[in-house]
Amino acid sequence: SQKIEQNSEALNIQEGKTATLTCNYTNYSPAYLQWYRQDPGRGPVFLLLIRENEKEKRKERLKVTFDTTLKQSLFHITASQPADSATYLCALDHSGGYQKVTFGTGTKLQVIP
Amino acid sequence: DVKVTQSSRYLVKRTGEKVFLECVQDMDHENMFWYRQDPGLGLRLIYFSYDVKMKEKGDIPEGYSVSREKKERFSLILESASTNQTSMYLCASSTVRLVPEQYFGPGTRLTVT
Repeated sequence: SQKIEQNSEALNIQEGKTATLTCNYTNYSPAYLQWYRQDPGRGPVFLLLIRENEKEKRKERLKVTFDTTLKQSLFHITASQPADSATYLCALDHSGGYQKVTFGTGTKLQVIP
Repeated sequence: DVKVTQSSRYLVKRTGEKVFLECVQDMDHENMFWYRQDPGLGLRLIYFSYDVKMKEKGDIPEGYSVSREKKERFSLILESASTNQTSMYLCASSTVRLVPEQYFGPGTRLTVT
């Protein structure tokens, strides 16, 4: 069966360090993978998209990698700040163009001052 | 800025009631989505629509129906609310013209008693 796995446990890191979140998937061949941020009581907010033919994408302090052989994406936040504390969701497209994605359950990141 | 609005932030309904959740987007997006979010289960797609009057079932359509009579508006209908439909409901929209990111509304916390 198809599955998307993110660390279900919260990730606690010290301010200034790099946070690395993992998204693993099985039985998907996604055209692209997205990362979203969700704060408590709010809808998710889009951060980055990486396509199947891309290895790495960067945006300011954010970096995403995509390894279709390992079926894994890594999401990095460098020089983390307490304001980065949130839940981060990965999402895979599997609809061949209709933008229908499946979300992982998310990893809660806590950046400690 | 894209704006997705939902008719209510909080809603309390009784078992057996018919419930309407409304979503409106102001960016002329083709695609609209309804999700529910539950602890430990993440975001799950109920229905999506890629055009006016067009709809496709998502992963958990049972007990729900949708309506899209105008491009900007997508309604989720609970024909006969049940307690297991107590959840956070999130609406999203996206366009096929640009990066396929989804823009989410603030969510409706529905409680069925």
